[in-house]
Amino acid sequence: GAVVSQHPSRVICKSGTSVKIECRSLDFQATTMFWYRQFPKQSLMLMATSNEGSKATYEQGVEKDKFLINHASLTLSTLTVTSAHPEDSSFYICSAVGGAVESEQYFGPGTRLTVT
Amino acid sequence: GNSVTQMEGPVTLSEEAFLTINCTYTATGYPSLFWYVQYPGEGLQLLLKATKADDKGSNKGFEATYRKETTSFHLEKGSVQVSDSAVYFCALSEGRGGNKLTFGTGTQLKVEL
Repeated sequence: GAVVSQHPSRVICKSGTSVKIECRSLDFQATTMFWYRQFPKQSLMLMATSNEGSKATYEQGVEKDKFLINHASLTLSTLTVTSAHPEDSSFYICSAVGGAVESEQYFGPGTRLTVT
Repeated sequence: GNSVTQMEGPVTLSEEAFLTINCTYTATGYPSLFWYVQYPGEGLQLLLKATKADDKGSNKGFEATYRKETTSFHLEKGSVQVSDSAVYFCALSEGRGGNKLTFGTGTQLKVEL
């Protein structure tokens, strides 16, 4: 099946610094990638939809200047958490869709961000 | 807007017990419905799906039937195994999954010997 990777799997950073998370589709071209945030024992909350070559579409309440998303190629999307604070600590998950609009979403394994 | 409600966990069962995890939804149109499973330390994997009313999704012994009249998509398995221990998420999308998903809060299942 289709494989999506995320890097890093875990990252610890200091408050005020920026962190970049990569999401790659390894064996297919992803026209659309989604970024989710998962709090402990809670559901996945969609943050933004990323389409290759265009600006990301952010969900209501998500700060686009804080969570920068770049989808520069059909196999790579990046999420940069700028000026991170402890409340940004969370599990960030991406998913990728390839081919037709109605095809399945394939999820990455997630990135655990801890801001100290 | 769309929403998904699923039973809170954790659910603890003995091996070979019958499993039901309830899921109900609210949607404006005719959504597709999904169950995803998240094993410890791993990403979400699609377990099964149904795209229209009365469809039954099935995989690995798990089943769920799209019930439009009760807006439900309950997950069932006749005999669980220890290896089924994971978190299960019910979800919907307006399309077939390529569109954005709305998730329930997840239900943790623990299966003991």
